[in-house]
Amino acid sequence: DSGVTQTPKHLITATGQRVTLRCSPRSGDLSVYWYQQSLDQGLQFLIQYYNGEERAKGNILERFSAQQFPDLHSELNLSSLELGDSALYFCASSVGQAFDEKLFFGSGTQLSVL
Amino acid sequence: QQQVKQSPQSLIVQKGGISIINCAYENTAFDYFPWYQQFPGKGPALLIAIRPDVSEKKEGRFTISFNKSAKQFSLHIMDSQPGDSATYFCAASWYKLTFGKGTLLTVNP
Repeated sequence: DSGVTQTPKHLITATGQRVTLRCSPRSGDLSVYWYQQSLDQGLQFLIQYYNGEERAKGNILERFSAQQFPDLHSELNLSSLELGDSALYFCASSVGQAFDEKLFFGSGTQLSVL
Repeated sequence: QQQVKQSPQSLIVQKGGISIINCAYENTAFDYFPWYQQFPGKGPALLIAIRPDVSEKKEGRFTISFNKSAKQFSLHIMDSQPGDSATYFCAASWYKLTFGKGTLLTVNP
């Protein structure tokens, strides 16, 4: 068990809808990362937050947004969903914000857009 | 643009054999090279990592070999076991972690 909690584990929704994925980092970790995993693209970095502030941005679509709250949990909001958004979304956390941090991944949220 | 290229996509090895997974990168700014292991239904977990000032790092049966001039690095799993069957991701980082597309390793008993 990595100590990172993601909810829900599975999410089935329709095109055009909006969903929120939730992540609770390990106790003491200040950084939260979001990754999208698909068969064709692999693990794609979306965004990183450190202690409530956006730290780095990757291939995150404008329809997607995220935030990290004062209690350090994070939410990833996906709107105007398309079929291609179906993927496994991982949250990871680390103690700090350095580029060589050890990342601890949650078990992911499987999103299916029908 | 795929910044970290990983091969092979899949690999089948007999128990006791050596598993070798290769990765190549383009960006010379990368300064940290970890390998992550992922079992079905789980998130990736850090296996072993290396910095570019070292050519080799060994932890138990797992070894990273790093060739800075060739911009290549590889993971060697000695005495491969069925329990090593998983997907392995190489990665490289300078301000964010970029992953390869993964290698599905199957170790037959």
